Amino acid sequence: KAGVTQTPRYLIKTRGQQVTLSCSPISGHRSVSWYQQTPGQGLQFLFEYFSETQRNKGNFPGRFSGRQFSNSRSEMNVSTLELGDSALYLCASSFFGNMRMNTEAFFGQGTRLTVV
Amino acid sequence: GENVEQHPSTLSVQEGDSAVIKCTYSDSASNYFPWYKQELGKGPQLIIDIRSNVGEKKDQRIAVTLNKTAKHFSLHITETQPEDSAVYFCAATGGSQGNLIFGKGTKLSVKP
Repeated sequence: KAGVTQTPRYLIKTRGQQVTLSCSPISGHRSVSWYQQTPGQGLQFLFEYFSETQRNKGNFPGRFSGRQFSNSRSEMNVSTLELGDSALYLCASSFFGNMRMNTEAFFGQGTRLTVV
Repeated sequence: GENVEQHPSTLSVQEGDSAVIKCTYSDSASNYFPWYKQELGKGPQLIIDIRSNVGEKKDQRIAVTLNKTAKHFSLHITETQPEDSAVYFCAATGGSQGNLIFGKGTKLSVKP
């Protein structure tokens, strides 16, 4: 069974540009959550998509957005990049997304974004 | 809001010794507590989890304990090996949608 696939693995962008990251979940999983990982802040929740709808959103500015397609693949977009957006962006795939319903979340390898 | 605290932030042990990492959570409705291991350059890997109706769970050299009254849970690794060296994250469900809230991580170093 294929795992969670994130592309690209590495990105270098300039301040002010925008970027789009992709996540393909495990086959059959309908939920995709996105996290930002930085050395100082750890893993911070960005948003979660389930069946093409954003179900939950973390405390990030509107420059961070996402979407999910009918095949459950998800993209996240960051507009007007800032130096502080440099981070490892991780997506996690799960069947239901709501962990209270007893489903595990599996992470991809992440996309390392560097803003210069 | 919901919060998960993890201690220690770094832990160094000799090969063969045990390692214990502790987490506390604030949301009394949390009912699922996974642990992840992250190696350099990789995404977090789920290594063990525990549900709120269970007090302890073991998987070979790894065990997790949960005390719901005190709102804390711990990861125990016995007979540590150099390949156990990694960053370990605890998490707990939070919010109405049950998304995972993560601790800040523990960097475990196992010295041969």
